[in-house]
Amino acid sequence: QVQLVQSGPEVKTPGASVKISCKASGYTFTNYYIHWLRQAPGQGLEWVGVMKPSDGSTYYGVDFLGRVTMTKDTSTRIVYMELSRLVSEDTAVYYCARGGMITESRRNYFAYWGQGTLATVSS
Amino acid sequence: DIQMTQSPSTLSTSVGDRVTITCRASQTINTYLAWYQQKPGQAPKLLIYGASNLEYGVPSRFSGIASGTEFTLTISSLQPDDFATYYCQQYYSYSPLTFGGGTKVEIK
Repeated sequence: QVQLVQSGPEVKTPGASVKISCKASGYTFTNYYIHWLRQAPGQGLEWVGVMKPSDGSTYYGVDFLGRVTMTKDTSTRIVYMELSRLVSEDTAVYYCARGGMITESRRNYFAYWGQGTLATVSS
Repeated sequence: DIQMTQSPSTLSTSVGDRVTITCRASQTINTYLAWYQQKPGQAPKLLIYGASNLEYGVPSRFSGIASGTEFTLTISSLQPDDFATYYCQQYYSYSPLTFGGGTKVEIK
């Protein structure tokens, strides 16, 4: 069965970086987009960006340009999301989610999600 | 950005009630619209994609319909397990993918 398992909670100080991992299993890793989203406490969902695991190409939300980097390790089927220059407003649960097949670029809704990783930014 | 305006933000209702949640897109998104249910401490769960297609395993009391840029999620007879927050999401445009603000369905 499809599973996305994320790394554990993080506590960072303002200005630092956080790197969260998402390990995929149960499907062909390179065939599906992996997206990252976040949810601040008590708030709605916000899209961060997407990676195409077959070639490592990425597309980031404009609000995160210059601060976010998504990478992957195909051998371990892990996608990473690193967010730098953290501020308190980055405190959120970060989710990875599987998007559509890379041959169906428009099917970007999310049937499979990681369990979420709480990243807390506090001095 | 495509703005998704969801209403109401809160719905106080009872088991057995018919529930309707609306999402309006700021521009055309065809039927590239998904609905999710989220419970506290959990990741969202996909209910509907393509505006009206029920995800596998989702009860048939959930349904979705599109009319232009207005989208509706209906729960025909609310069950105790349905008290949760619901979100719509447009996936017509990557720039960026956007969600509605959420509707919390709570017990009256």
